[in-house]
Amino acid sequence: LAKTTQPISMDSYEGQEVNITCSHNNIATNDYITWYQQFPSQGPRFIIQGYKTKVTNEVASLFIPADRKSSTLSLPRVSLSDTAVYYCLVVLISSGSARQLTFGSGTQLTVLP
Amino acid sequence: DAGVIQSPRHEVTEMGQEVTLRCKPISGHDYLFWYRQTMMRGLELLIYFNNNVPIDDSGMPEDRFSAKMPNASFSTLKIQPSEPRDSAVYFCASRQTGFGSYNEQFFGPGTRLTVL
Repeated sequence: LAKTTQPISMDSYEGQEVNITCSHNNIATNDYITWYQQFPSQGPRFIIQGYKTKVTNEVASLFIPADRKSSTLSLPRVSLSDTAVYYCLVVLISSGSARQLTFGSGTQLTVLP
Repeated sequence: DAGVIQSPRHEVTEMGQEVTLRCKPISGHDYLFWYRQTMMRGLELLIYFNNNVPIDDSGMPEDRFSAKMPNASFSTLKIQPSEPRDSAVYFCASRQTGFGSYNEQFFGPGTRLTVL
């Protein structure tokens, strides 16, 4: 069964850089890698997406190696308000070549003062 | 725009009853997605539509689940009959082709379903 893997949880202190990695061995070749943020009792919210190498926007960076079997979300100088669950979203190729839009299991980031 | 609108926000029902969840996507968006979120299974894609046509329903767990999109501004997810294991938060999301980021979906606030 094709799946993604993320760390269950991470702790950090305010002002530090946080890197969260998602492994996705069976990723489809032609689709983007996307990351979402979710606060309690809310729907996920788009953060960033990329296809390969590095992408940066006003809130995060995304690093994708050449084989695209993993991706790393980088949050610079986190604050308390960044405490949330972070998910990767990819298209995986499952058995029988079926394409499957798949969310990662999520990483609970807790930012401490 | 008000964003993706879902109703009801909370639903409590008894096993065997029919449940209908509703979604209004963002105006102009041509993709609509239904997801289910539980502690055990995380976020799962149930079905998605493009221009009101179901494209992939492989995530629909059983025949008890059905989804429709009669027009571009409305979709329903129906469970009949409901079972306690259907208890979850159901999210609707929409996206517009060719606008902004490729995979940027806009999620509604979700419907928390409890089946007793």
